[in-house]
Amino acid sequence: GESVGLHLPTLSVQEGDNSIINCAYSNSASDYFIWYKQESGKGPQFIIDIRSNMDKRQGQRVTVLLNKTVKHLSLQIAATQPGDSAVYFCAEGPIQGAQKLVFGQGTRLTINP
Amino acid sequence: DTGVSQDPRHKITKRGQNVTFRCDPISEHNRLYWYRQTLGQGPEFLTYFQNEAQLEKSRLLSDRFSAERPKGSFSTLEIQRTEQGDSAMYLCASSLSGDEQYFGPGTRLTVT
Repeated sequence: GESVGLHLPTLSVQEGDNSIINCAYSNSASDYFIWYKQESGKGPQFIIDIRSNMDKRQGQRVTVLLNKTVKHLSLQIAATQPGDSAVYFCAEGPIQGAQKLVFGQGTRLTINP
Repeated sequence: DTGVSQDPRHKITKRGQNVTFRCDPISEHNRLYWYRQTLGQGPEFLTYFQNEAQLEKSRLLSDRFSAERPKGSFSTLEIQRTEQGDSAMYLCASSLSGDEQYFGPGTRLTVT
């Protein structure tokens, strides 16, 4: 069935280090993937997206990698800052013409000073 | 601030009462989505509008839930006869005929 999951529920990194957050998805028909950041008490904030015809996309300090062979998605954050502390969700969609996003459980990233 | 606003931000109600939430999407966005998020979980899709037409509803949306977008701009989500299991964050998102959905801050519902 449709499901998006995360490998680690929590991740702690030192400020200035790079972090990698992983995500596994199960629906091979998905063609669009998104990473969201959610801070406490706020709605999810769009970070970066990638389509299935790409395997890498870069933004400002963030890179998303997509491995369709093993249905794996990752978010790399370079030179982490205290403001990066949040819960990160991967999501997939649209699926078979539907417009809904299917979210994973989330990974809590903590940046240690 | 993404430009999507939701009102109220918090709602406490007693079991059995009706509640209504409002979402104002980014003005030029024609698609509007409702999601529900419980503590520690990712958002779950509830329903979606393209302009004023409600095009998809999740099985999570029981007959106690109704959503409208009468003029293709703001949307309301009503929950009738609230139950304790309805306690959650209700999130609204909007997009412009595409995939990038921008979320509002959510309405946190507590049913006592």
